[in-house]
Amino acid sequence: GAVVSQHPSWVICKSGTSVKIECRSLDFQATTMFWYRQFPKQSLMLMATSNEGSKATYEQGVEKDKFLINHASLTLSTLTVTSAHPEDSSFYICSANARGDGYTFGSGTRLTVV
Amino acid sequence: SQKIEQNSEALNIQEGKTATLTCNYTNYSPAYLQWYRQDPGRGPVFLLLIRENEKEKRKERLKVTFDTTLKQSLFHITASQPADSATYLCALALDTGRRALTFGSGTRLQVQP
Repeated sequence: GAVVSQHPSWVICKSGTSVKIECRSLDFQATTMFWYRQFPKQSLMLMATSNEGSKATYEQGVEKDKFLINHASLTLSTLTVTSAHPEDSSFYICSANARGDGYTFGSGTRLTVV
Repeated sequence: SQKIEQNSEALNIQEGKTATLTCNYTNYSPAYLQWYRQDPGRGPVFLLLIRENEKEKRKERLKVTFDTTLKQSLFHITASQPADSATYLCALALDTGRRALTFGSGTRLQVQP
């Protein structure tokens, strides 16, 4: 089945630094990938839609200069959290749709900003 | 505003019983509805998709119904097992294109042995 590989699975960074999260589709091409954020005991909230070769579409309230998305190839999308602060600590998950039914999700990245 | 509600935050049942989870939505006309399982610290895993013109879908011990008049989907796990314990999320897509999903808040199911 379709696999989305997400790295790292967890990261701890200092406040003010930047963190890059990678999301790769391993056995299919993904022209579109989606980035979600999930706070403890809450559901997934869509942050942005990543489009290969073009700019990402951000949801209302998500700062595009803070959460930089790059989708340079059909198999790789990256999310960079710039100048991270403790309130950015969350679980970040990417997903893509391989074959039109269910969406495939990465395993998630637990970001802790100290 | 558009809302998706899973009206049980948590559900505890005995092993062998049928678990029934509810998903209600307002102000949507979804092309299809999906159910996912999420284990702690992991990404969601796709379980079932049901389209707007389908009333029921089954997969092994899972059954999903979709009532577009009531704006409700029910998700059933029959002969539940402790391994079924997880959070179950319903999700909607507004059209048949490859659009992002909107998720409900989830129901945490605990199956007691």
